[in-house]
Parts: sequence; C-alpha cells; structure tokens
Amino acid sequence: DSGVTQTPKHLITATGQRVTLRCSPRSGDLSVYWYQQSLDQGLQFLIQYYNGEERAKGNILERFSAQQFPDLHSELNLSSLELGDSALYFCASSAGLAGASSSYNEQFFGPGTRLTVL
Amino acid sequence: AQKITQTQPGMFVQEKEAVTLDCTYDTSDPSYGLFWYKQPSSGEMIFLIYQGSYDQQNATEGRYSLNFQKARKSANLVISASQLGDSAMYFCAMREGAGANNLFFGTGTRLTVIP
Repeated sequence: DSGVTQTPKHLITATGQRVTLRCSPRSGDLSVYWYQQSLDQGLQFLIQYYNGEERAKGNILERFSAQQFPDLHSELNLSSLELGDSALYFCASSAGLAGASSSYNEQFFGPGTRLTVL
Repeated sequence: AQKITQTQPGMFVQEKEAVTLDCTYDTSDPSYGLFWYKQPSSGEMIFLIYQGSYDQQNATEGRYSLNFQKARKSANLVISASQLGDSAMYFCAMREGAGANNLFFGTGTRLTVIP
C-alpha cells in the first residue's frame, strides 16, 4: 500500500458526460501528479500540483482540469467525455519538489481509477 | 524523439535466473533521474529503483540493480534470482532537468517468470 488513495476505483459513464476523480496523497506529501495510462498512448503525465498551485502541465486536454485543495487532496475533472478518454488514471504524490541536482523525490502511485466511456 | 525507449515488449525468464530489461533514454540535459516501476496485473505502480545522473555508482535495491551506462544513455534493470511474483509489466521512466518533477515513461516490458 503506497499510502495514496484514489476514488472511485472504477467508473463507467457515457460520452459527453463529466466525471470527477479524487486523490488523497500520502500524509505529508505536498506534490500531486496525475497520469493517464491508455492502450494507444501509454503512460502520460497530465498535470502536477504543489501545495495548491499548478506546477507543471503535460499532455492534458482542455476538456480536463484539476485542482489541489487546502487539505492537499486533488481532483481531476474530465468533461465532454469521448470514447478515447477510456483509460486508467493514476494519481501520484511526492514529498516536495525535485532539487537542482535531480534529487530523488520519489513518486508514490495510487491504485488508479479505471474510467470506461461507453 | 522518444525520451524513453524500451525495445523488449515481452521477456521470459526461468525462475531463480537473472534477467535484464533494457531501457535507453534521450536527453541533452545533464541533470536527470531514471526510475523503474513494476505494474502487476492488479494495476498499481510500484517503485523499484532510482538512479540520478550524477550518481557515481549503480543503484541497487535488494534483488534489483540498475546497470547505468551514461555514455550509452542506457539504464537497464537487472533482476536477480527471479521469482514467480516478478511476473509483471516493467516501466522505465525519466525525470528530465533540474527542478523538473514529472516522469516520462517508456512503453514497458512484460516479464513472465517460468517455473
């Protein structure tokens, strides 16, 4: 158990709908990351938050948004869902930020939310 | 260009034998970190080992070791004394640049341990 929790575990919805995925980082971790794992795109970084502020953005669609709340949990909102959004969505957390010398800052992954868009 | 390349879609190894999973990376930044993760069939991502670009020695964690060849830009994972529970997908990942945090992942290698 990594200490990162994600809810729900599974989500089935229809095209055009909107869903919210929730992540609670490990106790004390300030950074939260969202990744998408799909068959055609593999594992892709979406977005990172650090202590409530957006820190880095990857291949996140405009239909997707995220936020990190004062209690450090994070939500990923996916709207106008398409069939191609079906994927496993991971949240990861780390203690802080990587330092100037590529320091460790290991990311711990949650169990993922499997989204199926029908 | 792909930042992380894993050329072995699948590998088989006999139980108790050692196996090497290949990973090459592409970056012009002198500061980077390399990670290996294991993803069993249950789906979770399990951190295995880390190598920083400035680390002088190859990383080791129990039965896992990283064969880091900087000039060749390779970071192969060596699993010694394979166990049935090692059967899983293995992903190589890179964090690129000083202060960067997000990971770029390879396409993974599916390892099957044969009894």
